[in-house]
Amino acid sequence: QVQLQESGPGLVKPSQTLSLTCTVSGASISSGSYYWSWIRQPAGKGLEWIGHVYTLGSTNYNPSLESRVTISLDTSKNQFSLRLNSVTAADTAVYYCARGRVQYYFYSLDVWGQGTTVTVSS
Amino acid sequence: DIQMTQSPSSLSPSVGDRVTITCRASQSISNYLNWYQQKPGKAPKLLIYAASNLQSGVPSRFSGSGSGTDFTLTISSLQPEDFATYYCQQTYSTLWTFGQGAKVEF
Repeated sequence: QVQLQESGPGLVKPSQTLSLTCTVSGASISSGSYYWSWIRQPAGKGLEWIGHVYTLGSTNYNPSLESRVTISLDTSKNQFSLRLNSVTAADTAVYYCARGRVQYYFYSLDVWGQGTTVTVSS
Repeated sequence: DIQMTQSPSSLSPSVGDRVTITCRASQSISNYLNWYQQKPGKAPKLLIYAASNLQSGVPSRFSGSGSGTDFTLTISSLQPEDFATYYCQQTYSTLWTFGQGAKVEF
C-alpha cells in the first residue's frame, strides 16, 4: 500500500523559503509513470494545484507560482520536495503531497499525504 | 486557465436522499474530470476519475457522468459518512484546476 507523508517547518518567516519533503513508502518514486504532486489549501478555502515532477524528472508548475517554486525528486531517499521562495502571508496553507496517476491517458490524484500546515509569519 | 464552477456551493439533504452536484468547465475538457471527497481535517480522497470511472474501494452509490463542459456527481442514497465537501478537478490542460467545492452538510 502506497503511503505519502509530508514533513517540514510549520512556521516560515516572510520573504524566506518554504521547504517541504514528501516521503513515499510502499512504492519507488523512480518506477512507473507517476506525477508526484503538491497541492495546497488555505484555511477554509479550496484546493490549489502547485505543480508536479514526473517520474523521469520533468516538471510542470502552476503559472501563478512558477517564478517561485521548485519541485524535485530524491530517488536515493524515495522522497520528493517542494521549495517556494519569497513567501508571504498568502502562502499560509495546508500543503498536501499526492501521487498523480495516469490511466488510459487520464490523470488523477489517487494517493494523498495527510497534509502539513505551514504558517508564514514573523 | 480553465475555470471550474460547481453548484450548488452547499446543500443540506437528508440521509437516504439522492444528491446531485454539478461541475461546469469554462471550455471543453472532454472526459478529463475527477471528483474528490474531503472531510474536515483530512486529505481529499479520489472518488471518480475520467468523469465516470469509480475509483477502487469507493461505494457504488457514487457515480459520475458528463463530457465536454458539464459534469455531474451523484450519490444515489446519501449515507451519514457522506457528509463532506466535494471537489471536481480538470486535468485536460497542463494547469490542473479544481472547482470551489460543494459542501454537503446536515
